[in-house]
Amino acid sequence: EAGVAQSPRYKIIEKRQSVAFWCNPISGHATLYWYQQILGQGPKLLIQFQNNGVVDDSQLPKDRFSAERLKGVDSTLKIQPAKLEDSAVYLCASSFAPSGGGGDEQFFGPGTRLTVL
Amino acid sequence: QKEVEQDPGPLSVPEGAIVSLNCTYSNSAFQYFMWYRQYSRKGPELLMYTYSSGNKEDGRFTAQVDKSSKYISLFIRDSQPSDSATYLCALMDTGRRALTFGSGTRLQVQP
Repeated sequence: EAGVAQSPRYKIIEKRQSVAFWCNPISGHATLYWYQQILGQGPKLLIQFQNNGVVDDSQLPKDRFSAERLKGVDSTLKIQPAKLEDSAVYLCASSFAPSGGGGDEQFFGPGTRLTVL
Repeated sequence: QKEVEQDPGPLSVPEGAIVSLNCTYSNSAFQYFMWYRQYSRKGPELLMYTYSSGNKEDGRFTAQVDKSSKYISLFIRDSQPSDSATYLCALMDTGRRALTFGSGTRLQVQP
């Protein structure tokens, strides 16, 4: 079974530029998550989709971050404009359960490492 | 106060040692308790999952949850150099399906 795919793996941009990350979840997984992991910290949830609807975006900085999940499959996360403090690894994860399922395992992709100069 | 506290380490042990990793938490709504392992430049992978209080064993790994103390532990027996990684505790409440992670403990097992 193929895992969660993410691209690009690395990205370096200057502050105030824009950037986009792409995620392809495991086939058949209804729920998709984007996490931000700053160096030395644990991942922090940015946004959670169930199929193509947003379930939780309470920690997404909506003035600069946006995300979409078209057709309930692939997802893109965009930052515009980027700030220095956005330097982090952006992790995408997916899980099977279409509803409920508190113990539903989340499978993580390798992440995109963003450096903002 | 953070919802989940975890000692960042690094923790260095000799091969074959028993390793104890711990997290404390403040939110009593957490019902699902997980341990993830993250190798350098990789995504986290699930190691252990426990629902509510109790112990769970899987090979060399044992997870313990003490909800009365809001304290969770992961024990690694007969540690191997391949266990060198960052270990993240992750908790979930019954309402949200997203995980709240600790900051991770970096473990180095010396051959």
